[in-house]
Amino acid sequence: DTGVSQDPRHKITKRGQNVTFRCDPISEHNRLYWYRQTLGQGPEFLTYFQNEAQLEKSRLLSDRFSAERPKGSFSTLEIQRTEQGDSAMYLCASSLGDRPSPLHFGNGTRLTVT
Amino acid sequence: AQTVTQSQPEMSVQEAETVTLSCTYDTSESNYYLFWYKQPPSRQMILVIRQEAYKQQNATENRFSVNFQKAAKSFSLKISDSQLGDTAMYFCAFMKQGTGNQFYFGTGTSLTVIP
Repeated sequence: DTGVSQDPRHKITKRGQNVTFRCDPISEHNRLYWYRQTLGQGPEFLTYFQNEAQLEKSRLLSDRFSAERPKGSFSTLEIQRTEQGDSAMYLCASSLGDRPSPLHFGNGTRLTVT
Repeated sequence: AQTVTQSQPEMSVQEAETVTLSCTYDTSESNYYLFWYKQPPSRQMILVIRQEAYKQQNATENRFSVNFQKAAKSFSLKISDSQLGDTAMYFCAFMKQGTGNQFYFGTGTSLTVIP
């Protein structure tokens, strides 16, 4: 168990650019979640996958956001035409979905849009 | 919709003392789970303790214990014998059982352990 890993740790981009983040969950975990966390707030749910299927998306996830998990393993989160309001920590978490189980979080990707 | 409220943005405690962090939640669900997560500065969020709503007995994990009051929808975390390494943000989280096992988090309490 190597834990949940996210790449990159930090990303600075200019407004209007596209960015993509990667998450590698714990290998036996079939559920993968993306959360966004801003300063002074708790994580806010964005979307989640069970295996390769994206089963739920938050209203926070605008059309500029897209997430994939093509083979049910790693996942990518892409933000197109970034805005300053997208600046946040993007957290990935995974869990075993057969029964209620805790989330295991990665270190997050901190995005700064200038 | 589920909401989780942590009314204490910041708290401090002397090393070796006991501190209690409060959390309340609002839900119409009957089957759910509650968690406390810890997020040290610049480090990843880790699970501290969990509680199943159907269990009346309060969960305990070493120095960490909870006071779960289902009727009052209250879920406080007690840290005994506080250590410097307990300094972190603490998030209360609610998970309803069902599709997605969706987690809802509070805004967090920043705890500082003073040597």
